[in-house]
Amino acid sequence: EDQVTQSPEALRLQEGESSSLNCSYTVSGLRGLFWYRQDPGKGPEFLFTLYSAGEEKEKERLKATLTKKESFLHITAPKPEDSATYLCAVQVYNTDKLIFGTGTRLQVFP
Amino acid sequence: DAGVIQSPRHEVTEMGQEVTLRCKPISGHDYLFWYRQTMMRGLELLIYFNNNVPIDDSGMPEDRFSAKMPNASFSTLKIQPSEPRDSAVYFCASSRQNTEAFFGQGTRLTVV
Repeated sequence: EDQVTQSPEALRLQEGESSSLNCSYTVSGLRGLFWYRQDPGKGPEFLFTLYSAGEEKEKERLKATLTKKESFLHITAPKPEDSATYLCAVQVYNTDKLIFGTGTRLQVFP
Repeated sequence: DAGVIQSPRHEVTEMGQEVTLRCKPISGHDYLFWYRQTMMRGLELLIYFNNNVPIDDSGMPEDRFSAKMPNASFSTLKIQPSEPRDSAVYFCASSRQNTEAFFGQGTRLTVV
């Protein structure tokens, strides 16, 4: 069964304290892995797409990496405005299903 | 483009009533996804369409749920009859093949 697991469920950081979020997946075939950010009361907002192991993408304080079994979202020197829920999703090859993990709720304190 | 547009933003209804949620995808997108989000289960894929055709509805919880896409610019998700356990935020998303999906703002459904 295709499955996506994110850890930790919640993460509290001090402003400037770098950390990483994990997304591990088990799928029959991976077409792509996506990271989203979701703020309270809003729909998920697209951040990155990764297609193959070894690929990396960066945007401001965020960097996403991909291996054959997991992806990491690295947050460098976070700011309070980075507080949100970060969601990982995989698109399954041959079906194009887009399956989400349950997310990591990040809080960054000044 | 205005993005994915969902209506209504909020819906409060009584148990047993019919509820219809609406979605207008981004023009040119050929995939449309319906999700339900709850605290307990996160984002669950209910059904998705490709070129207006339902491809996989295995996530639809029961026969009370149905979805249609009569044309490329409109889709509905209907619940009849509604129950309190259907209370959740329902999201619609659209994409071009093999690219990222864009989400609407969601419909918060409360069944009392």
